[in-house]
Amino acid sequence: NAGVMQNPRHLVRRRGQEARLRCSPMKGHSHVYWYRQLPEEGLKFMVYLQKENIIDESGMPKERFSAEFPKEGPSILRIQQVVRGDSAAYFCASSPPSGEKLFFGSGTQLSVL
Amino acid sequence: KQEVTQIPAALSVPEGENLVLNCSFTDSAIYNLQWFRQDPGKGLTSLLLIQSSQREQTSGRLNASLDKSSGRSTLYIAASQPGDSATYLCAGPQAGANNLFFGTGTRLTVIP
Repeated sequence: NAGVMQNPRHLVRRRGQEARLRCSPMKGHSHVYWYRQLPEEGLKFMVYLQKENIIDESGMPKERFSAEFPKEGPSILRIQQVVRGDSAAYFCASSPPSGEKLFFGSGTQLSVL
Repeated sequence: KQEVTQIPAALSVPEGENLVLNCSFTDSAIYNLQWFRQDPGKGLTSLLLIQSSQREQTSGRLNASLDKSSGRSTLYIAASQPGDSATYLCAGPQAGANNLFFGTGTRLTVIP
């Protein structure tokens, strides 16, 4: 049973470009969470999704950021018109429907030049 | 909103020493608490999950306790080894929600 898979592992973008981060949850998990970790800071919750639904996006910046978890395929975190302050490690986690225990992927390190 | 605090921020101990990491949270309605390990540049590895009905959980040399009334959890590491060097994070949910709120972590260095 493969763990939570995130890709790419590293992503480099220039200011103004778009970044797409992908997350495939563990088999049997229908809940996906995205977290951001800025340098020297803790993990901050961004968004919680179930298949085709956004359950809680209270941690998402109001502009440029969006997330989806379609019926088929991975969850996508999309950042439009990236700025240097978006440089961070973005972690995805998944959980079964009970939601009690979260399993994390290895993260995507986004660097904005 | 759940707030999680960890002290100390960093800790260095000689190999073989027993140590305790501390975590405090503000929302006592927490229904579980998780301890994670993060190695530099890597993702998070779940170490222990304590349910609100439990007072402690053990896995090998690790023991985690949960005291909801005082809003505290501790992670005890026995007979520390250099391979234990990492950042240890505790995280708890907010009442009625699944998403986790993380502390800023304790960076542990075990000196051979």
